[in-house]
Amino acid sequence: KQEVTQIPAALSVPEGENLVLNCSFTDSAIYNLQWFRQDPGKGLTSLLLIQSSQREQTSGRLNASLDKSSGRSTLYIAASQPGDSATYLCAAYVHSGGGADGLTFGKGTHLIIQP
Amino acid sequence: DAGITQSPRHKVTETGTPVTLRCHQTENHRYMYWYRQDPGHGLRLIHYSYGVKDTDKGEVSDGYSVSRSKTEDFLLTLESATSSQTSVYFCASRDSLTSTDTQYFGPGTRLTVL
Repeated sequence: KQEVTQIPAALSVPEGENLVLNCSFTDSAIYNLQWFRQDPGKGLTSLLLIQSSQREQTSGRLNASLDKSSGRSTLYIAASQPGDSATYLCAAYVHSGGGADGLTFGKGTHLIIQP
Repeated sequence: DAGITQSPRHKVTETGTPVTLRCHQTENHRYMYWYRQDPGHGLRLIHYSYGVKDTDKGEVSDGYSVSRSKTEDFLLTLESATSSQTSVYFCASRDSLTSTDTQYFGPGTRLTVL
């Protein structure tokens, strides 16, 4: 059974800093890995999706990497802003072939960017 | 976003009553999912659907049933609600199972069972 762990559970940094959020997974046979953002009381917004054949994906100030062999992914946020404050979720998708299995989520990193 | 709506957005009910949550998507996505989100557990899959009338159980399916009579609608039913089913419920959909395809989420339904 796939398990996804995110470290740290919470992080508070001053505005302008670069930061890294970590995600580890136990089953390296993932199809893809997604990073989501969740604002309080809201749904999930997809930030980046990395296919199993890729090493990284970039979108603006965000860069996500994937290392299947070590079972790790990182989300790098450059020049953090107060608007980046949210909970960041990592989710692994393992396609069993038998159906449309859902994503396995980590518990998230609650990020606060101090103005 | 994939135009996913959920109704109701908030509901308070009593133990033992039936509850139905609705998910509606406008993207003609084949696959739909119901998750619950609880503190300390993250999001967990309840049920999913891979087509009209085709559904299967997820990790935490006990006490829940689903139905999908149309592509755009996926219903989650709590036959007899219990306090342990107090949670935030999210619906999601995706177009295909390719490695490039993302899953889109609705805004969630906050359910409180007293």
